[in-house]
Amino acid sequence: QSALTQPASVSGSPGQSITISCTGTSSDVGGYNYVSWYQQHPGKAPKLMIYDVSNRPSGVSNRFSGSKSGNTASLTISGLQAEDEADYYCSSYTSSSTDVVFGGGTKLTVL
Amino acid sequence: EVQLVQSGAEVKKPGESLKISCKGSGYSFTSYWIGWVRQMPGKGLEWMGIIYPGDSDTRYSPSFQGQVTISADKSISTAYLQWSSLKASDTAMYYCVREATQYYFDYWGQGTLVTVSS
Repeated sequence: QSALTQPASVSGSPGQSITISCTGTSSDVGGYNYVSWYQQHPGKAPKLMIYDVSNRPSGVSNRFSGSKSGNTASLTISGLQAEDEADYYCSSYTSSSTDVVFGGGTKLTVL
Repeated sequence: EVQLVQSGAEVKKPGESLKISCKGSGYSFTSYWIGWVRQMPGKGLEWMGIIYPGDSDTRYSPSFQGQVTISADKSISTAYLQWSSLKASDTAMYYCVREATQYYFDYWGQGTLVTVSS
């Protein structure tokens, strides 16, 4: 099962908005509304930021939002802050035998 | 408070066996799937498999089927990931995760670092 495709890196200045894409197929991202996003700071466990494409768990800043169009999901972070600098991973249900597939991860640098 | 607490770091030799654990607390352990995620050094997240402690129903990613065994002991709210014969390529951080309603992971353990080296 191939990982979902994410850009290796993105960057932005404080206060700006950035978007991270996550491209799959009709067997995963495009076929189901089960896309989630995770933030991972160095040396830490990942943290759930978005689930079911666009829902935020309690306690996650509303600067984080998710969306999907066709086979591509997106995570948008608005009003970038230094603390947002981290690795971000998307994940999706897949109708293949694995049930779940992750993206390769995107390193966000806040300039 | 929901918590997943994993066992400590391990250093093993190739060919040795290993079983790491993940203890859940603060919720009904038998009502949620518990999964395992591998992160090799400097790399991304990989889905390994999942177990439902209520009835021990278990599913594996094809990449890990036959390579590891996932189990759970509901009497002590603990899930396990085990290897019968470790390889150097098993060196990684392993996270246990709680699967929320559908295919996302709302709680993560702190991770167990497994190092396999001769």
